[in-house]
Amino acid sequence: QKEVEQNSGPLSVPEGAIASLNCTYSDRGSQSFFWYRQYSGKSPELIMSIYSNGDKEDGRFTAQLNKASQYVSLLIRDSQPSDSATYLCAVDQAGTALIFGKGTTLSVSS
Amino acid sequence: KAGVTQTPRYLIKTRGQQVTLSCSPISGHRSVSWYQQTPGQGLQFLFEYFSETQRNKGNFPGRFSGRQFSNSRSEMNVSTLELGDSALYLCASSWDRGNTEAFFGQGTRLTVV
Repeated sequence: QKEVEQNSGPLSVPEGAIASLNCTYSDRGSQSFFWYRQYSGKSPELIMSIYSNGDKEDGRFTAQLNKASQYVSLLIRDSQPSDSATYLCAVDQAGTALIFGKGTTLSVSS
Repeated sequence: KAGVTQTPRYLIKTRGQQVTLSCSPISGHRSVSWYQQTPGQGLQFLFEYFSETQRNKGNFPGRFSGRQFSNSRSEMNVSTLELGDSALYLCASSWDRGNTEAFFGQGTRLTVV
């Protein structure tokens, strides 16, 4: 059973700080990795995708991938109260399915 | 560009009944995947369709089935509903199968009583 593990949190950070969200996965064959944000009562929204080892930056978000360690992370710089949500890590399985972690709840206090 | 559209948004059904949910993907997207989301289990993969063929299936009983039409619209059906089927059912579309970005619809909230 392929697994994606995330710390459920809650992760609490003050406004303006860096939030660091982590994810590990079990399938060494996975090639694509995604971060989704889900607000309470809403559907998941894609915020980042990463396919190669290293960092990928998009605005205040940076995704980091280390395939050797089977580790993906998401950094949110200058965190805002509007970033308070559940962040889901998703990893492709056999190129046809996304396996999701159970998510990390982030709370940004003003 | 319109997003992924799921209908209906909310459903209340009785145990033993069956239900059909619909998903219209983003224009040009050919892959549709279905997921079940519950507080305890999180997001779980149900199945993926591409070019009207089911390409992958998750670990769900045969009561859960689906299909995809030539215009890429997809439906999923759940027969003989059980209380445990109460969940948010999400559809995601992507332009191709495989390692491409997937975008979710708003979901259908199914309550079985």
